Formats: sequence, C-alpha cells, structure tokens
Amino acid sequence: AQKITQTQPGMFVQEKEAVTLDCTYDTSDPSYGLFWYKQPSSGEMIFLIYQGSYDQQNATEGRYSLNFQKARKSANLVISASQLGDSAMYFCAMRESNTGNQFYFGTGTSLTVIP
Amino acid sequence: EAGVAQSPRYKIIEKRQSVAFWCNPISGHATLYWYQQILGQGPKLLIQFQNNGVVDDSQLPKDRFSAERLKGVDSTLKIQPAKLEDSAVYLCASSLFGVKASSYNEQFFGPGTRLTVL
Repeated sequence: AQKITQTQPGMFVQEKEAVTLDCTYDTSDPSYGLFWYKQPSSGEMIFLIYQGSYDQQNATEGRYSLNFQKARKSANLVISASQLGDSAMYFCAMRESNTGNQFYFGTGTSLTVIP
Repeated sequence: EAGVAQSPRYKIIEKRQSVAFWCNPISGHATLYWYQQILGQGPKLLIQFQNNGVVDDSQLPKDRFSAERLKGVDSTLKIQPAKLEDSAVYLCASSLFGVKASSYNEQFFGPGTRLTVL
C-alpha cells in the first residue's frame, strides 16, 4: 500500500486565490510527522510546513496552512493568496518514528498559478 | 549557515560507465540521506546514514550502487555500471537529529545532481 497518496497530478489557481492540495497517508505508527515540500523548476526541495501526529492544532506558516484530519488520515496543504512564484511541484511526505525515521514521499502535485 | 552542497550539478554518461556523486551535509547534522527522483515522481530513499553507519539501505540496488559516509561527514554515491533507467536527479539531504529523534526532524535538501545515461 502507498504510504502517501497525492491524487491531483496538476492543479491551476488564479493569482490571489486560495488553493488546496490533497494528501492522504497510511500508517499504523502512532508517532509520525507530516511534511510539505515545494520543488520549483530549479530542482531544490524547499520545506514548507510540518504537522506532528500529536499536535492538537493545525500547523500554519505564513500563507501556508495544513488541514490535518487525523481520523481520515489526511493532511491537505492550503495556500492562501496565491502568487505567481507559487508555481511548482508540491510533495507531501511522512516520517514514521518506528521505522528508522525513513521519509516517504508522494508523487507530487504540479501547481500552476494563472495571472 | 551553509546549506547542503552537492557536486556535480549535471552529469552525462553512457550506459555501462561509472559515475560518482558527492554530498557535504550541513555541519553537525547527524543523518544523511540519498534519494533518487525520476522525472515526474517523488523522491525515493536509496540510503540513510546516521553518522557513518547505515540505517536503511533496503531500496539501494546493491549490485550497482554503493555509498559511503567517511568520518560521518561527507558522502559519496557511486553507480557502476550505469543503466539507462538510472537517469534521474540524485538528491542529498541532511537532518540534525538521529533516528531516535521525535517525528519532527526536518530534512534540508541540496540542489541535486541531474544524471543522464545515454
């Protein structure tokens, strides 16, 4: 079974609008972390936001927020007020504490911001 | 603080040739990771080191790939001999803590090495 599933290969959003990128995960480990990374065309992976499995509140970092629904095993990324520079690939990742802390990445979502 | 350094940035070789990639993690980071990212896919972990010991190499094709982390700092990843399907970006990442850390152990990625095998 896939550890991380991103079902949206490509998304489009109008500049200044909000967009939600979906991510579901599969784990039986009670202690895990969820990460979102941005990968622009230059190729470098840029860390955006983190949510721990025991965190009571949804994580927020500037224009990024994570909609964490633990029972549904989903960790959707919300980008508010989209900017042209947000156009990139976005990857959801999970780190389980009981498996040597290996990171599992999804297949990514390509976001295009339209002016 | 300097980031994760990788070299070379680009490499083009013919199949059956050998190639090596180098990574210098952020100073003081205990854990180092090598990922393979094929075009259109997410990164796949090849090998994970904590200091100079291997934590996980279950997805490393050991018949052709090898990696080492000398003195728990720099690391090299080698492919010998290369195949067409090895064409990918090879990403190196490091994180501050070791495997006993909590789930938050942010990885910092280098710029990657883009390998093309002809």
